[in-house]
Amino acid sequence: SQTIHQWPATLVQPVGSPLSLECTVEGTSNPNLYWYRQAAGRGLQLLFYSVGIGQISSEVPQNLSASRPQDRQFILSSKKLLLSDSGFYLCAWSVMREPSYEQYFGPGTRLTVT
Amino acid sequence: AQSVTQLDSQVPVFEEAPVELRCNYSSSVSVYLFWYVQYPNQGLQLLLKYLSGSTLVKGINGFEAEFNKSQTSFHLRKPSVHISDTAEYFCAVSDSASKIIFGSGTRLSIRP
Repeated sequence: SQTIHQWPATLVQPVGSPLSLECTVEGTSNPNLYWYRQAAGRGLQLLFYSVGIGQISSEVPQNLSASRPQDRQFILSSKKLLLSDSGFYLCAWSVMREPSYEQYFGPGTRLTVT
Repeated sequence: AQSVTQLDSQVPVFEEAPVELRCNYSSSVSVYLFWYVQYPNQGLQLLLKYLSGSTLVKGINGFEAEFNKSQTSFHLRKPSVHISDTAEYFCAVSDSASKIIFGSGTRLSIRP
């Protein structure tokens, strides 16, 4: 069966420090991969999605970047964190051959920028 | 362009009472519709989905939703809620363009 991992689970970082969040998927090949951010009391904001290795689409201009170095690995990064980067970061995957593109979510990373 | 509107940001109900969480969508093409649930500090879990066929969809934990094309709605219902249903619920729409658009969420709180 398919599983999705995210780490770390929680992270406290000072303003101006770098960031690297990792997401890996097991049990499927060539998935679509997604990064979302959920700010306190707000809905889901799609940050990036990827349909293949090295292919990244950015949904909103911001302080973050994403990379997909391997088929089932998706990394969210920042060179210098801002206070506004605090939030709950969710990784998700979907199967390209499924027409509905139903998404499956990881457990999330709680990021607090101080 | 697609969009999803969840009409209530918070819904308080008493335990064992029925509940309806409202969702309306807009899309110019055929859509797939979803309801997800998020328990505190966890990822999202799929409750149910509508792809085609019967407009009444049954999901996990006793939830069901009805697709109404003429009203462009996909409301979520449960006849009797439990304390364990306390969570945030997200309605979502996809037109198979590899992205899903999520609503802003409805926080369901259950009072004993």
